[in-house]
Amino acid sequence: DVKVTQSSRYLVKRTGEKVFLECVQDMDHENMFWYRQDPGLGLRLIYFSYDVKMKEKGDIPEGYSVSREKKERFSLILESASTNQTSMYLCASSLGETGFVADTQYFGPGTRLTVL
Amino acid sequence: SQQGEEDPQALSIQEGENATMNCSYKTSINNLQWYRQNSGRGLVHLILIRSNEREKHSGRLRVTLDTSKKSSSLLITASRAADTASYFCATSYWGGYQKVTFGTGTKLQVIP
Repeated sequence: DVKVTQSSRYLVKRTGEKVFLECVQDMDHENMFWYRQDPGLGLRLIYFSYDVKMKEKGDIPEGYSVSREKKERFSLILESASTNQTSMYLCASSLGETGFVADTQYFGPGTRLTVL
Repeated sequence: SQQGEEDPQALSIQEGENATMNCSYKTSINNLQWYRQNSGRGLVHLILIRSNEREKHSGRLRVTLDTSKKSSSLLITASRAADTASYFCATSYWGGYQKVTFGTGTKLQVIP
């Protein structure tokens, strides 16, 4: 079974702190994703990566950066956390489609981040 | 926005009844997927239906896709308390890269 793990289930940080959220997948997937989930807004894509050191902005990249130095690991960085970044953060990975159709995403358990 | 919209937003049924939830979207898609999310957890993939398919089954799940109406439905038959969760549709389409957009979800409660 595919396993996607996230470094923390709950995290509390203060405004202005630099925050690192780590995600690791164990199935040699090409693609990795970071989403945030807020009530009434569904999942919104922050960034995704289709290869090591490659990244693409999603729908809401402002205030975030990412790093993918190894295939299995994808980090989300909040350079200077703000209260409006309080949210549930979900990491996902997918095999990597070579054709026309996007494939199944496998999700981690999520990190609930509170910024005070 | 391409974001799918699920309907209803919330649904409460008795155990053993069928649950139907719908997803509508705006532009042409490559495929549509349904995911389940238990409270406070990550999403779990349920089923994928391609744009050239009209119906798909998996266990107690039945998904239909009507591309002319830009809509899909997920039917859970003989529901169980363990089916209590939020259900999301995710549409895949080409937007410069292969984009997947999630809807806002239907919250299903199955009462024992």
